[in-house]
Amino acid sequence: KQEVTQIPAALSVPEGENLVLNCSFTDSAIYNLQWFRQDPGKGLTSLLLIQSSQREQTSGRLNASLDKSSGRSTLYIAASQPGDSATYLCAVRIGWGNTPLVFGKGTRLSVIA
Amino acid sequence: GAGVSQSPRYKVAKRGQDVALRCDPISGHVSLFWYQQALGQGPEFLTYFQNEAQLDKSGLPSDRFFAERPEGSVSTLKIQRTQQEDSAVYLCASSFQGVREKLFFGSGTQLSVL
Repeated sequence: KQEVTQIPAALSVPEGENLVLNCSFTDSAIYNLQWFRQDPGKGLTSLLLIQSSQREQTSGRLNASLDKSSGRSTLYIAASQPGDSATYLCAVRIGWGNTPLVFGKGTRLSVIA
Repeated sequence: GAGVSQSPRYKVAKRGQDVALRCDPISGHVSLFWYQQALGQGPEFLTYFQNEAQLDKSGLPSDRFFAERPEGSVSTLKIQRTQQEDSAVYLCASSFQGVREKLFFGSGTQLSVL
């Protein structure tokens, strides 16, 4: 059974700092991996989607990498801002059909001004 | 519509009551998923529709949970005889088609069973 783990569970950093969030998964046979952001009381917003054949994706200050063989992904946030404060969730899609995403529990990020 | 819409936003039910949660996906989106998110946890898969066909319901926790999408657009998740352990946020997500695409989530329905 695929399991997704995110470390750390919570992180607090001063504004302007660069930071890395970690995601690991137990079964490397994934189709793709997504990083989401969730604000309190809100739904999930997709940030980056990495197909299994790709190694990284970038959007603005965000960069996500994928190493399938080691079962790891990282989300790098450059020059963090208070508005980045949210919970970040990693999810993998297993199999080749339209299979459901398997989520980690998330990392709760606080960026202090 | 502009995004995935879910209603009600909050629902309080007495134990034993039946509830119905509605999801209105983005217009034209073929795939629709329901997830359950307990406090402090990641979302967990409940069920999946492609158009009106329910292709996977392996995540439904018991036969008290039932989902439908009769015309391939709006979906309803029904929970019969609610229990306290059903308290969670129920999230709906949709995508146009295919596994290579991003999922778009609604804001969820927060269900509290007293």
